[in-house]
Amino acid sequence: AQSVTQPDIHITVSEGASLELRCNYSYGATPYLFWYVQSPGQGLQLLLKYFSGDTLVQGIKGFEAEFKRSQSSFNLRKPSVHWSDAAEYFCAVGAEAAGNKLTFGGGTRVLVKP
Amino acid sequence: EAGVAQSPRYKIIEKRQSVAFWCNPISGHATLYWYQQILGQGPKLLIQFQNNGVVDDSQLPKDRFSAERLKGVDSTLKIQPAKLEDSAVYLCASSLPGVLSYEQYFGPGTRLTVT
Repeated sequence: AQSVTQPDIHITVSEGASLELRCNYSYGATPYLFWYVQSPGQGLQLLLKYFSGDTLVQGIKGFEAEFKRSQSSFNLRKPSVHWSDAAEYFCAVGAEAAGNKLTFGGGTRVLVKP
Repeated sequence: EAGVAQSPRYKIIEKRQSVAFWCNPISGHATLYWYQQILGQGPKLLIQFQNNGVVDDSQLPKDRFSAERLKGVDSTLKIQPAKLEDSAVYLCASSLPGVLSYEQYFGPGTRLTVT
C-alpha cells in the first residue's frame, strides 16, 4: 500500500523568504507524485505533478518540486514567499497499480509573517 | 468554465440524524470522487465513480454512508445515521479518466458538524 508522510505540521516563514515543504512517500514502484494547495474555505488546487522524466518539476504560482528516488522524497520549494501563499499544502501519491487512486499526506500549514 | 459545485457549504446536525450532500462536477468529467477530510488530516477517498458506476468504495462505511450518481453527472452522498466522528469536511472532486484522473478539480466542500 502507498503512503505519504509530511513531517512538518506547521511552518512559519517571513514574506520574501524561501520555503521548503517536506514530503516522503512509501511505495514499491515509481509513483506518481503531486502537490495540492488548499486556501482557507477553498477546495484543493493542483500545484504540480511528477510522472516521469526530469526530476525537477515546475508548477503554478512559482512553486517547484524535486523528486529524489534515493530518499523517497518529493519536496516542494518556492524561492520567495508572498503573503497569499499562506495555506495548507498536501503531498499526494498515486499509482496505476493502485487504480489511479490518490493517497494524501496529512498536510503542512504555512503561515506567512509580514 | 464552471468549477465543481457543492451544497450545502455548512451543515450542523445532531447525532443519529441523517444528512445529504450534493455535488455537480465539471462538465465532461466522467470521474467523480467523494473525500472525507477530518480536521488536521489529509483528504481520504470515500468513493470513486466512473460515469454512473462505482470504481472504488473500499473506504466507504457502508452501514451508514451511501452515494449515488444515477445519470452519470451530479452525485449525492448520504449519511444515516450520523455519528460524532463524522464531523469533517466532505469534498467532491472530478476529473477526466485514465492518467488524467490525477488532475482532480475540487469543490469548496461541505463542512459537517455533528453534535
